[in-house]
Amino acid sequence: QQQVKQSPQSLIVQKGGISIINCAYENTAFDYFPWYQQFPGKGPALLIAIRPDVSEKKEGRFTISFNKSAKQFSLHIMDSQPGDSATYFCAASLKGNTPLVFGKGTRLSVIA
Amino acid sequence: SAVISQKPSRDICQRGTSLTIQCQVDSQVTMMFWYRQQPGQSLTLIATANQGSEATYESGFVIDKFPISRPNLTFSTLTVSNMSPEDSSIYLCSVTRTGGVGYTFGSGTRLTVV
Repeated sequence: QQQVKQSPQSLIVQKGGISIINCAYENTAFDYFPWYQQFPGKGPALLIAIRPDVSEKKEGRFTISFNKSAKQFSLHIMDSQPGDSATYFCAASLKGNTPLVFGKGTRLSVIA
Repeated sequence: SAVISQKPSRDICQRGTSLTIQCQVDSQVTMMFWYRQQPGQSLTLIATANQGSEATYESGFVIDKFPISRPNLTFSTLTVSNMSPEDSSIYLCSVTRTGGVGYTFGSGTRLTVV
């Protein structure tokens, strides 16, 4: 049973466009929702994260939108750049430093 | 956030042998986890490394195949035992600490079994 469902599997965006990746979760006890960025040959790096008491969080060009009633959260990358081309993973965890559960990932390609 | 040194970064091993992967953190952390990432796939939790006690394994992973040690709050090892080509993956260490910022990952160990 997949606890975090991520879509799309792959995404191609023009430079300067908006990249949108969506995730849906099932467990209402999840308390922490991060997004990770992974480049080939590297470990995942934390991009931005949100907790369920907030509906939106913005850091630079990256924004998380969170819809608690729909059990969905999304990552928006504004003004997408070729350097943003990577695999993005959403994840979730319960309270108390429990391990992360990951979505299947989205491979983003930003083309000039 | 914590800085993780994971070794080796990559290795090519013969089937039937074992490899021990080390995860060293630059500061004390509350929790340490081991993940597996098969080529082109997402991350799957292998186990939680508990300091001073046996690791907690996820369904499908067993101690005989993936023995884990965590002797202190900054170090853990994962051994991949009696390897087969199906064990070819990236193995990742992850840490978090109470009151810290998120979960940090090491750069991974890329294992190829031939």
